[in-house]
Amino acid sequence: NAGVTQTPKFRVLKTGQSMTLLCAQDMNHEYMYWYRQDPGMGLRLIHYSVGEGTTAKGEVPDGYNVSRLKKQNFLLGLESAAPSQTSVYFCASRSTRAGELFFGEGSRLTVL
Amino acid sequence: AQSVSQHNHHVILSEAASLELGCNYSYGGTVNLFWYVQYPGQHLQLLLKYFSGDPLVKGIKGFEAEFIKSKFSFNLRKPSVQWSDTAEYFCAVSLFTGGGNKLTFGTGTQLKVEL
Repeated sequence: NAGVTQTPKFRVLKTGQSMTLLCAQDMNHEYMYWYRQDPGMGLRLIHYSVGEGTTAKGEVPDGYNVSRLKKQNFLLGLESAAPSQTSVYFCASRSTRAGELFFGEGSRLTVL
Repeated sequence: AQSVSQHNHHVILSEAASLELGCNYSYGGTVNLFWYVQYPGQHLQLLLKYFSGDPLVKGIKGFEAEFIKSKFSFNLRKPSVQWSDTAEYFCAVSLFTGGGNKLTFGTGTQLKVEL
């Protein structure tokens, strides 16, 4: 039972570099989400997807892009990393709009 | 836009003390409510949820929460905490209709239980 898997789990980037975080879920869920978690700010929604081929902006989308080419995968991209993007990133999925979220284990990103 | 407020940012309790963590939300329509817990170094896990029906909801590990619609509140309670309850607790709200695709989280309450 893999559930929601995020890769990589840790990454250090230099300012201006690009990278992609991969989220994969094996529960056939329609809805997928990317959150960032920062001390004292809780979880803030970056982007989300309500189905394959669709994406939408959350609270803090600037500096990020996403793609949902396959139902089971949701990619989060940083085109030009900035120190303000140092954070822990969590992917989550759920089967229905009202259901509970299932979270991945997080990806810790440091931008120097 | 919906918002979620958790008024207690840090709580320190002794084992066996009772716990109540506050959660208020801003949306006036029908909502789905959740409490998640994050143990140190781990991902978020669901403690309990409310969709409809009995406003007193029981979750895992002896936690419960009460939905009070008139107060827009969904406070988390536990009669007697244990050291292993040390974690960060997040309240979350999802709209039942309209913009219900998103789950909005509060800023979290860090609970430390001392022996």
